[in-house]
Amino acid sequence: DIQVTQSPSSLSASVGDRVTITCRPSQRINSDLHWYQQKPGKAPTLLIYSASRLQSGVPSRFSGSASGAEFTLTISSLQSEDSATYYCQQSFDSPRTFGQGTKVEIK
Amino acid sequence: QVQLVQSGAEVKKPGASLKVSCKASGYTFVDYYIHWVRQAPGHGLEWMGLINSRTGGTYYADNFQGRVTLTRDTSTSTVFMEVSTLTSEDTALIYCARVEFDGSYLHWGQGTLVTVSS
Repeated sequence: DIQVTQSPSSLSASVGDRVTITCRPSQRINSDLHWYQQKPGKAPTLLIYSASRLQSGVPSRFSGSASGAEFTLTISSLQSEDSATYYCQQSFDSPRTFGQGTKVEIK
Repeated sequence: QVQLVQSGAEVKKPGASLKVSCKASGYTFVDYYIHWVRQAPGHGLEWMGLINSRTGGTYYADNFQGRVTLTRDTSTSTVFMEVSTLTSEDTALIYCARVEFDGSYLHWGQGTLVTVSS
């Protein structure tokens, strides 16, 4: 099974800050890595698909990138409404696997 | 528009079985796989399994192999997940999600809360 290690598990940042979250899969997965935002009691929503493609309707402050074996979600200027938990997920192989999640809090 | 509507919350006793439904609309049902994801209280997302809506073929995560059964009814565009021998560790929100061709989950059900308690 492909393991996906996500870091950090939580972070606290101020409005306007640049925030980065990383995921490292245990093996090569090409660009088959997606990012989700989840707010309490709600289903996750898709932010970025295929490593770097912005889902329609998602604010442009969200971006995804890949470098070597590491994938990164960046929020360029954190907003109060971005307080949530973020997950990465690999779709290269089954079983599909999620990262452990990153809880983003606003200072 | 694409919609996945899940059945309502369930309260079960340990040892019981559970069947959750996920009714799809707004697209050609057999063209997309449906995956299931579980989230225990205060925990992350855990992938459970998938069903090929066209053929009925399934694949289960090791943690659920032998205890979870996925089926579908193409006449009603509905996928079913049955879980047997429930324990308190099965208390969770369960989601169905449609898999896009790139492997991502754009459309999710609203979630079904399952509580297992004696």
